[in-house]
Amino acid sequence: EPEVTQTPSHQVTQMGQEVILRCVPISNHLYFYWYRQILGQKVEFLVSFYNNEISEKSEIFDDQFSVERPDGSNFTLKIRSTKLEDSAMYFCASRKDRLGGYTFGSGTRLTVV
Amino acid sequence: TQLLEQSPQFLSIQEGENLTVYCNSSSVFSSLQWYRQEPGEGPVLLVTVVTGGEVKKLKRLTFQFGDARKDSSLHITAAQPGDTGLYLCAGHLISNFGNEKLTFGTGTRLTIIP
Repeated sequence: EPEVTQTPSHQVTQMGQEVILRCVPISNHLYFYWYRQILGQKVEFLVSFYNNEISEKSEIFDDQFSVERPDGSNFTLKIRSTKLEDSAMYFCASRKDRLGGYTFGSGTRLTVV
Repeated sequence: TQLLEQSPQFLSIQEGENLTVYCNSSSVFSSLQWYRQEPGEGPVLLVTVVTGGEVKKLKRLTFQFGDARKDSSLHITAAQPGDTGLYLCAGHLISNFGNEKLTFGTGTRLTIIP
């Protein structure tokens, strides 16, 4: 069964450093998403991406965050200057069309120290 | 901000018993999805309900979408230890600009005792 692949599975970074979280969505999917889940809290929407541009973003997704689809397969989330409160599981998701279900990756656990 | 409240937050029952988990909101959703999440993994889609009043069955799991498309329930019959996990509801909203996002509920952590 096709999977959404995320790397790395775990990233530890110092506060103030930039991190890039990588995702390879399912190949024929057109809609891409990033979500995050702080430990013990609910899954929160960050951003949606379609047709090479952001289609929706949440209040969490401020100027420190950016997304990119640099080629036909990767979808990245960059955090420019990490803060302690950015520590969370970050999930990438994709879906084929607006009627399709979401497929989530296994997540990247980001720890900011 | 759309809020999806799930109840109960925690549920621990004996194997073989039946249970129902509820997902409630004041918002109307275009569709609602149920996911199951294992520790350290991403949510895995179980079902999508679209029409008010819709009922879908997945083996021993029965999902219902409220008539007003604001709430949903998940009923498990004869629970098994393999049903243990975190169950999440997620409502799909379409913004004024036609964009969509999935808003997750607070989750129900289910434990089935053998």
